[in-house]
Amino acid sequence: AQSVTQPDIHITVSEGASLELRCNYSYGATPYLFWYVQSPGQGLQLLLKYFSGDTLVQGIKGFEAEFKRSQSSFNLRKPSVHWSDAAEYFCAVGGNNRKLIWGLGTSLAVNP
Amino acid sequence: NAGVTQTPKFQVLKTGQSMTLQCAQDMNHNSMYWYRQDPGMGLRLIYYSASEGTTDKGEVPNGYNVSRLNKREFSLRLESAAPSQTSVYFCASSEGVSAEQYFGPGTSLTVT
Repeated sequence: AQSVTQPDIHITVSEGASLELRCNYSYGATPYLFWYVQSPGQGLQLLLKYFSGDTLVQGIKGFEAEFKRSQSSFNLRKPSVHWSDAAEYFCAVGGNNRKLIWGLGTSLAVNP
Repeated sequence: NAGVTQTPKFQVLKTGQSMTLQCAQDMNHNSMYWYRQDPGMGLRLIYYSASEGTTDKGEVPNGYNVSRLNKREFSLRLESAAPSQTSVYFCASSEGVSAEQYFGPGTSLTVT
């Protein structure tokens, strides 16, 4: 079955600390992978995507993610978190059918 | 270039009332989607339209109908609202197979 798992429901980090949000997927074909961010009361904004090629992808707001096929993972990282990064983060996987499969999200809190 | 717009932003309905949520995109995208977002349940696809003139059920279509009015507009109708339909509704659009989805700001619906 196709699925996306974000193992951490909630994470708290201190401002300036590094961040890694985990995403594991199960997908039968070559996946297209996405990370989105949702600030409170807002819609979802694309942070980055992986379709093919270099497995380390750079996104907006200083985020990056690494695709590891052997581990079926697409973890999101940021070297130094800012207070404005507090938000909900969603991982999604898609294929050739125009639909995305979504994880349940990870809520990030940032301590000053 | 407004991207994806949704109206209304907030709505309160009584059980049994009907309403239509409107969505429009100005990016000339072929595909459009309706999701609902509930706490702890992530994003769930209600209906989608791969291209103008086609619509398909998603994960949770019961109690909803959709109309792809033209390439720009995709509306979601609740014929007889139920408290279980209290949620935040997001419209999204995309272009191409498994391309990233662009989201509207959402409609917060409460059914009493």
